[in-house]
Amino acid sequence: DAGITQSPRHKVTETGTPVTLRCHQTENHRYMYWYRQDPGHGLRLIHYSYGVKDTDKGEVSDGYSVSRSKTEDFLLTLESATSSQTSVYFCAISEDGGVYGYTFGSGTRLTVV
Amino acid sequence: KQEVTQIPAALSVPEGENLVLNCSFTDSAIYNLQWFRQDPGKGLTSLLLIQSSQREQTSGRLNASLDKSSGRSTLYIAASQPGDSATYLCAVYSGGGADGLTFGKGTHLIIQP
Repeated sequence: DAGITQSPRHKVTETGTPVTLRCHQTENHRYMYWYRQDPGHGLRLIHYSYGVKDTDKGEVSDGYSVSRSKTEDFLLTLESATSSQTSVYFCAISEDGGVYGYTFGSGTRLTVV
Repeated sequence: KQEVTQIPAALSVPEGENLVLNCSFTDSAIYNLQWFRQDPGKGLTSLLLIQSSQREQTSGRLNASLDKSSGRSTLYIAASQPGDSATYLCAVYSGGGADGLTFGKGTHLIIQP
């Protein structure tokens, strides 16, 4: 989607290695989110941010950390990747916490072997 | 806790038919409802956003209605085309922060040429 990009688009990594996914937005939206999508579970919130250096946990935050040092960038880090973290990861942004809807990125497909 | 259900889970129809996708939610205290489209291996594309004060929204061949009191929304697709084949997701924003967005599991739509 224009205005929000995720990198990398695909990644294969080994169990136990650290991995960082990046979300970049050009919309200057305050809120940013990381979701994972898995068959049978749908979309689940991992972490979110409501401003620079302001973050909080979502439903499935164990094993993940995030950082937001600039309005436009939101990083998701898997400190020590496990096979259960194989998933498709989506970043989303919203202007006012969801009142005006959400915009999603194209996703990162992560495989942990 | 808000729950969102989409019926049917899958649908296959011939090209040219008008069709209706259904979304129901358990708690009528919502801010808005958003319909997304997801193509295989791709991100979520926002189709329509209906605020709680609105009854419907239209975009091209798509029309979404909202009956907040009964906890229902429908997505109407007119004159379906093979390019409409995708998974359609309904998401309800109930407020209360990032956890306030609840997704349905989607309707997988196939339009037969």
